[in-house]
Amino acid sequence: SQTIHQWPATLVQPVGSPLSLECTVEGTSNPNLYWYRQAAGRGLQLLFYSVGIGQISSEVPQNLSASRPQDRQFILSSKKLLLSDSGFYLCAWSVGSWHEQFFGPGTRLTVL
Amino acid sequence: KNEVEQSPQNLTAQEGEFITINCSYSVGISALHWLQQHPGGGIVSLFMLSSGKKKHGRLIATINIQEKHSSLHITASHPRDSAVYICAVGRGGGADGLTFGKGTHLIIQP
Repeated sequence: SQTIHQWPATLVQPVGSPLSLECTVEGTSNPNLYWYRQAAGRGLQLLFYSVGIGQISSEVPQNLSASRPQDRQFILSSKKLLLSDSGFYLCAWSVGSWHEQFFGPGTRLTVL
Repeated sequence: KNEVEQSPQNLTAQEGEFITINCSYSVGISALHWLQQHPGGGIVSLFMLSSGKKKHGRLIATINIQEKHSSLHITASHPRDSAVYICAVGRGGGADGLTFGKGTHLIIQP
């Protein structure tokens, strides 16, 4: 069966510090991968998606970036965090477009 | 105006009641998703549908493509159904990332 992992589960970082969140999927090959963010009091928002290694598409301009160095690994990064980057970050996967998406447990990021 | 609107935002009901949550969207979609978010934040996919009706246990989801409207029903509601229910639509193209409604916070009281 397929599983999706995210780490860390929680993170508290100072403004201006770097960020690296990791997501890995097991039990499937060449999945579509997604990063979503849920800011406090707001709905979920798509940040990035990837249909293959090295292929990243961004949905919103921001100081975050994403990379997919391996088939089942998706990384969300920032060189300098802003207060507005605080939120709940969710990674998700699907077997392809127009398919059900499965979500990871999430990372709760607080930028102070 | 948001592309995906849900109603109600908050709903409190008694155990056993029939629950309906509504979702309207204003854009073309590949499919509509109903998700459940637990208090800890974890999200579970309940349904993905592009036409008609789907049923899983006490949950029923319907969609009317012409009206651009979907409903999620819970029969014989139970306190364990308490959660945030989120409607999301796939926009097609690319990897079909989702656009979300703001969610419905449901509380079922015993």
